[in-house]
Amino acid sequence: DTGVSQDPRHKITKRGQNVTFRCDPISEHNRLYWYRQTLGQGPEFLTYFQNEAQLEKSRLLSDRFSAERPKGSFSTLEIQRTEQGDSAMYLCASSKNEQFFGPGTRLTVL
Amino acid sequence: EDKVVQSPLSLVVHEGDTVTLNCSYEVTNFRSLLWYKQEKKAPTFLFMLTSSGIEKKSGRLSSILDKKELFSILNITATQTGDSAVYLCAEDNYGQNFVFGPGTRLSVLP
Repeated sequence: DTGVSQDPRHKITKRGQNVTFRCDPISEHNRLYWYRQTLGQGPEFLTYFQNEAQLEKSRLLSDRFSAERPKGSFSTLEIQRTEQGDSAMYLCASSKNEQFFGPGTRLTVL
Repeated sequence: EDKVVQSPLSLVVHEGDTVTLNCSYEVTNFRSLLWYKQEKKAPTFLFMLTSSGIEKKSGRLSSILDKKELFSILNITATQTGDSAVYLCAEDNYGQNFVFGPGTRLSVLP
C-alpha cells in the first residue's frame, strides 16, 4: 500500500459522457501528478501540481481534459465528451522526493 | 522535450540468470533518475539515483547512474519468476515532470 488512493478503480462509460476521477495523495507530499498509460507503454505525463498550483500541462492534454487541486490536497481529473481513444489507465502519483503511484483508474469508453 | 530510451524492450531469461537493463536519457534540468517495477498494477518504486557512480542496492537488485554518459543500468542477479514484470525508468527534471521510458518487459522462466 503506497498511500496514494484513487477512485473509482474502474469506470465504464459511453462515448460523449463526462467522467471525473479523484486522487488522494500521501498527506505530506506537495507534488501531485496525473499520467495516462495504455497497454505496452510507459506512463505518459498529463499534468502536475505543486500544492494547489497547476505548474505543468502536457501538450497532449486536449481541452476536454481538466484537472484541479483546490486545496492542495486531493485532486480531480475530469474528461468531458469522452472518446474511445480516452480508454486507458489513469494514474495519479505524489512526491516529496521519490514518486509513489496510486492504483490507477481504468477507463473504458464504449 | 526530454526523452528516455530503454533497452532491451523485452527479455526472456531462465531462473538464476543475471540481467542488465539499460536506460538512457536526455537532460534538461536533470534532478534524478528513478526505476520502477510494474506488474499488473501501478508502478512500484525501486531506486532513485542522483549521483554518478554510487551503486544503490536492494537485495538482488542494484542500480547505478552515469551522469556524464547519461545512462543508468538496473541489474538483477539470480533472477526468480517473481521478478517477471515491466521495469520502467523515469527522469525527474526538477519535479516539474517525470518522463518515463517505454519499459523493459522481463520474463523469467522456471
